Amino acid sequence: SQTIHQWPATLVQPVGSPLSLECTVEGTSNPNLYWYRQAAGRGLQLLFYSVGIGQISSEVPQNLSASRPQDRQFILSSKKLLLSDSGFYLCAGEGQSGNTIYFGEGSWLTVV
Amino acid sequence: GDSVTQMEGPVTLSEEAFLTINCTYTATGYPSLFWYVQYPGEGLQLLLKATKADDKGSNKGFEATYRKETTSFHLEKGSVQVSDSAVYFCALSVAGNTPLVFGKGTRLSVIA
Repeated sequence: SQTIHQWPATLVQPVGSPLSLECTVEGTSNPNLYWYRQAAGRGLQLLFYSVGIGQISSEVPQNLSASRPQDRQFILSSKKLLLSDSGFYLCAGEGQSGNTIYFGEGSWLTVV
Repeated sequence: GDSVTQMEGPVTLSEEAFLTINCTYTATGYPSLFWYVQYPGEGLQLLLKATKADDKGSNKGFEATYRKETTSFHLEKGSVQVSDSAVYFCALSVAGNTPLVFGKGTRLSVIA
């Protein structure tokens, strides 16, 4: 079965510092991959999705970026964090077996 | 565009009460429908899904029926437990490389 791993689980970063969240997928190949953000008390916002290596679609303008250097690796980055980047970030993947999306455990980011 | 509307929370119930969380959708194609659950501090887990009209998804005592005529996918459980306290998300996916569209989530609190 498909498993999504993401790390780190929690981090506290100062404003203006860089960010790198990593996500890897096991149990499937050529998955569609997604980064979502969940702000406190709010729903899920799709940030990026990727249908293959090097293919990234951005859903909202922001100071975040995503990269997919390998088939089962998806990275969320920022060069300079803003206070508004604080939130719960979720990586998700959709395998070839169907249109069910599975989520990682999430990464709590606090920008101070 | 595609969208999901689910009832506003929070919902507070006593243990063993009957639960209904309403979800309606609009979609340009023929969507698959999902319920995800998020326990405190965790990522999202797939709870159940239905891929065509009149299908009933079920898991852990929860059920939801895909009603095309009313564009609904209401979540029900006959007798809730304290351990069911979580945020519940309704979502849809239209065939192809399209990301899930989520509702805003409904927080359920079950008290003993």
